[in-house]
Parts: sequence; structure tokens; C-alpha cells
Amino acid sequence: KAGVTQTPRYLIKTRGQQVTLSCSPISGHRSVSWYQQTPGQGLQFLFEYFSETQRNKGNFPGRFSGRQFSNSRSEMNVSTLELGDSALYLCASSFAAGGLWETQYFGPGTRLLVL
Amino acid sequence: AQSVTQLDSHVSVSEGTPVLLRCNYSSSYSPSLFWYVQHPNKGLQLLLKYTSAATLVKGINGFEAEFKKSETSFHLTKPSAHMSDAAEYFCVDGGSNYKLTFGKGTLLTVNP
Repeated sequence: KAGVTQTPRYLIKTRGQQVTLSCSPISGHRSVSWYQQTPGQGLQFLFEYFSETQRNKGNFPGRFSGRQFSNSRSEMNVSTLELGDSALYLCASSFAAGGLWETQYFGPGTRLLVL
Repeated sequence: AQSVTQLDSHVSVSEGTPVLLRCNYSSSYSPSLFWYVQHPNKGLQLLLKYTSAATLVKGINGFEAEFKKSETSFHLTKPSAHMSDAAEYFCVDGGSNYKLTFGKGTLLTVNP
């Protein structure tokens, strides 16, 4: 099976622009989660989607949004980019039965640099 | 709220010596705990997970972790470090509400 894929892998934007990142989960997985990784804050949860519904959202401003399509692919959008949004954005997928011990599988990430 | 604390931000060992990466958890209920590894410029790979079936959990690449409820710990060990083990390791609480809570990470350096 193919793993979680994320596109693009690298992105350079300037302040004030917006950006859309894409994530394709492992075939059969219906849950997609997004995480932001920075040197200062570590790995922080952004949001999780299942069957096109957001089930949980982290503590991020409204500039960060996401959606999930009927084929389980997901996109996240960041509007009005700030320098502090420079980070590695990781996507993870799982079957999403919701069990405590369910494994999430991570993609390679999209590295965003905001200038 | 659940949280995990990784007690060391950086651990340095010599190749062939044991590895110990420490993690304490804070959870009001029986936790779900994971260890993930991240090699430079790569995504996260699952090493092992605690599922309450056994307190000693074996993972990939010779790693194992022991769940100790009395000490609220889930330390990661490996008997003999290899150069390829150099990476960042994250202790993770699976918790609830469909999200993972990550520790701050421990950078493992392996010296020849």
C-alpha cells in the first residue's frame, strides 16, 4: 500500500499570502489529522477530519482552516501568512474507529517558509 | 488533560551501548502511549505502542518500552545503539478526542 502523501513538499511564500497544502491518506483510511512542527513549539495538533466532518480542532487562529473530501483526501489552508507560520506541516491518517490505541500514519510533511 | 514529559532533550551514546529515553505521562485514565521516531527531513515513524495487553512492549529495530503505572512512566530502551538510530524520538499520548499529544522530543546522538 502506498503511504500518506503530501504535496507540495516544499513551499516558499511571502507574508500576507495564502497557501493550500494537500494530503492523501492511505487507501481505506477515513481520518486525516494535521500537525504543525516548529523548533520552538514542537508538534502541535491543528485539526482532525472524518467523513468530511471536523471532529476536533487545536488552539490555532481562524487563519488556519481545513477540509476533507468524499475520497478522504484533505487540504489545509492558511490565509494571511505570518513569519511564524514557517513550519513543517505533517498530515496523518488512520482508520478512525476512534480507539485509543489506533495508530496514526504520518506523511513526509510539507515544509513552508514564509518570507 | 493528558500530557507527556520527555525528561531529556538530548541523549548522547556510543555505538554498541544501551539507549534509555525517558518519558512520563500524566493521564487520569488508562493511557494509550506511543513512541515515534523522526529522522532528519523525514516524517514520523511508529516505533511501538502500548495497548494495555502487556506492560513490556516490543517495537521495531530492537526497541522496547515498559509501561509502569506506579511510576507513570513509559521509557524507551534498546540494548545496543546503532549509528542509524540517530534521530529525534517522541513520546506520544493517544488520549482521546481524535488527537495525539506529543512530548517535546529527545534528540539521540550516536557516537562512533
